[in-house]
Amino acid sequence: QLQLQESGPDLVKPSETLSLTCTVSGGSIRTNDYFWGWIRQSPGKGLDWIASIYHSGHTYRSPSLESRVTISVDTFRNQFSLKLTSVTAADTAVYYCARFGETRGGFDYWGQGTLVTVSS
Amino acid sequence: DIQMTQSPSTLSASIGDRVTITCRASQSVGIWLAWYQQKPGKAPKLLINKASNLESGVPSRFSGSGSGTEFTLTISSLQPDDSATYHCQQYNSYLWTFGEGTKVEIK
Repeated sequence: QLQLQESGPDLVKPSETLSLTCTVSGGSIRTNDYFWGWIRQSPGKGLDWIASIYHSGHTYRSPSLESRVTISVDTFRNQFSLKLTSVTAADTAVYYCARFGETRGGFDYWGQGTLVTVSS
Repeated sequence: DIQMTQSPSTLSASIGDRVTITCRASQSVGIWLAWYQQKPGKAPKLLINKASNLESGVPSRFSGSGSGTEFTLTISSLQPDDSATYHCQQYNSYLWTFGEGTKVEIK
């Protein structure tokens, strides 16, 4: 059974960089036809797609966040990571990592989510 | 960017009612539309992919329809376990967008 697990600091100071890693177990991140993505959800709000990456390294970022977002993949560690620079309180959210199947067309496996708070 | 608009934002219905949620895209997304169910404190769960394909294990009372810019999620007979927030999501040209969500409450 595929599992995804987010890890990283739960508190980040304003203007600093938020860094998260998603570790994939029970399957390979190198599997064709799947993108690996980050989605966030601010308290009481809807879901907000941040970025996705293919195992080849091709990256896709939300236009509203692309100037601050870096997504990367480490196929040897079976992990992918997110960096979000110059954070503000508006970046406080639960951050999820998830797998998207390009043929089936949905995020079918999700991590449990990690709450990151931006505060001094 | 493709914007996704869901309606209503909240609905309250009784057990056994037929419930319909609508999702509209600002431009055509073909059939690249998915629906998710999310319960408080949990990650979303994929219910329907490519507008109308029910995921394995999802009860048959859930169904999806539509193409292009207008899509619907229908629960044919609302059950207590269906109390949740439902999200639509489109995929087009390597960009993904979610709707704002519809909270379904049981009367």
